[in-house]
Amino acid sequence: EAGVTQSPTHLIKTRGQQATLRCSPISGHTSVYWYQQALGLGLQFLLWYDEGEERNRGNFPPRFSGRQFPNYSSELNVNALELEDSALYLCASSLWAGMNTEAFFGQGTRLTVV
Amino acid sequence: AQRVTQPEKLLSVFKGAPVELKCNYSYSGSPELFWYVQYSRQRLQLLLRHISRESIKGFTADLNKGETSFHLKKPFAQEEDSAMYYCAPLNAGNNRKLIWGLGTSLAVNP
Repeated sequence: EAGVTQSPTHLIKTRGQQATLRCSPISGHTSVYWYQQALGLGLQFLLWYDEGEERNRGNFPPRFSGRQFPNYSSELNVNALELEDSALYLCASSLWAGMNTEAFFGQGTRLTVV
Repeated sequence: AQRVTQPEKLLSVFKGAPVELKCNYSYSGSPELFWYVQYSRQRLQLLLRHISRESIKGFTADLNKGETSFHLKKPFAQEEDSAMYYCAPLNAGNNRKLIWGLGTSLAVNP
């Protein structure tokens, strides 16, 4: 069974541009989570999608947005990129958004803003 | 504010020595707690969850509500345990988000 897949693996953008990151969850998983892993800051929760709707977001500005498609894949969009947006962006999926549900992670997209 | 503290950024032990990775949380309500691990060049994965009261790869973790801690322990560390370890309580209400610690890098030396 394929795991969570993210694309692209690496992305280089210039300041002010927009970045689009993609995530395909494990088949059957309806919940998708996005995290930012910046150097020295650990994992920061960005967004949670379930059944096509945004259920919760972390403390990030509105230029971080996304969506979940009918097939449960998801996109993370970052507008007006800033240098400090450079980080590893991790996507995770889970079977359902119930208690004690394990999240499975992708390998991440390394975004570099220059 | 909900917070997770992993006080040690780096923990270095010798093979065969006991290891304890500390995790303290401040959290309203009863959290669901997890330890995740990231081995070199591998993706982040679940190690164990407190509700299962399980031992995985020799690791155990006990939830101490009085001390609000969820320390990860192993009596005899192995070289293959070298990895990054993250403690994460789950807000299982409407928020449904994992609140992560900054992680502890465990190095087990031969």
